Amino acid sequence: DAGVIQSPRHEVTEMGQEVTLRCKPISGHDYLFWYRQTMMRGLELLIYFNNNVPIDDSGMPEDRFSAKMPNASFSTLKIQPSEPRDSAVYFCASSMTDTEAFFGQGTRLTVV
Amino acid sequence: DQQVKQNSPSLSVQEGRISILNCDYTNSMFDYFLWYKKYPAEGPTFLISISSIKDKNEDGRFTVFLNKSAKHLSLHIVPSQPGDSAVYFCAASARGTGNQFYFGTGTSLTVIP
Repeated sequence: DAGVIQSPRHEVTEMGQEVTLRCKPISGHDYLFWYRQTMMRGLELLIYFNNNVPIDDSGMPEDRFSAKMPNASFSTLKIQPSEPRDSAVYFCASSMTDTEAFFGQGTRLTVV
Repeated sequence: DQQVKQNSPSLSVQEGRISILNCDYTNSMFDYFLWYKKYPAEGPTFLISISSIKDKNEDGRFTVFLNKSAKHLSLHIVPSQPGDSAVYFCAASARGTGNQFYFGTGTSLTVIP
């Protein structure tokens, strides 16, 4: 397997625009996680899915953030409208039950 | 509120010496602990884990120690090598209540040749 695949690797957008980050988890993994990396909070869990169902979205900072997992091989994290404070590296990770999580290479988002 | 804490943002160690990275947690329900290593512009990669039924787990140069009463774990790297220079994240999970992993803020390790 190629591992967790995220796209794009880098995204620069203007404030107010919609941003969509994409993730393809490892085949067979039933958990998918979205994290945001910041200096202050480290790796902050935003939301996670189990078998495509959102289980806990309490880490989503605001209603501007939304995530979907329409099938076992694809997930999106959307920010609408984006703000400069959303600038960070966003990671997607997947795992099987009771095992470690495998991370993608991340999407570096810059909102100007 | 940060449930997993790494209080040392950075650590410098001479090549060949021991590196000790520390991590504290607050949630007594956590029963699975992991360390990840992260290089710049890459995603975190799994390094080593330990279950709460153990107090030590060893994998080559890497050993993780768990002190449940103190809610503390540490990662020992012996001997340290320049290629170990990276950011190390501690993570914890309460597997009975879901599979989510809570991460600390990371410790940047520099191994000086």
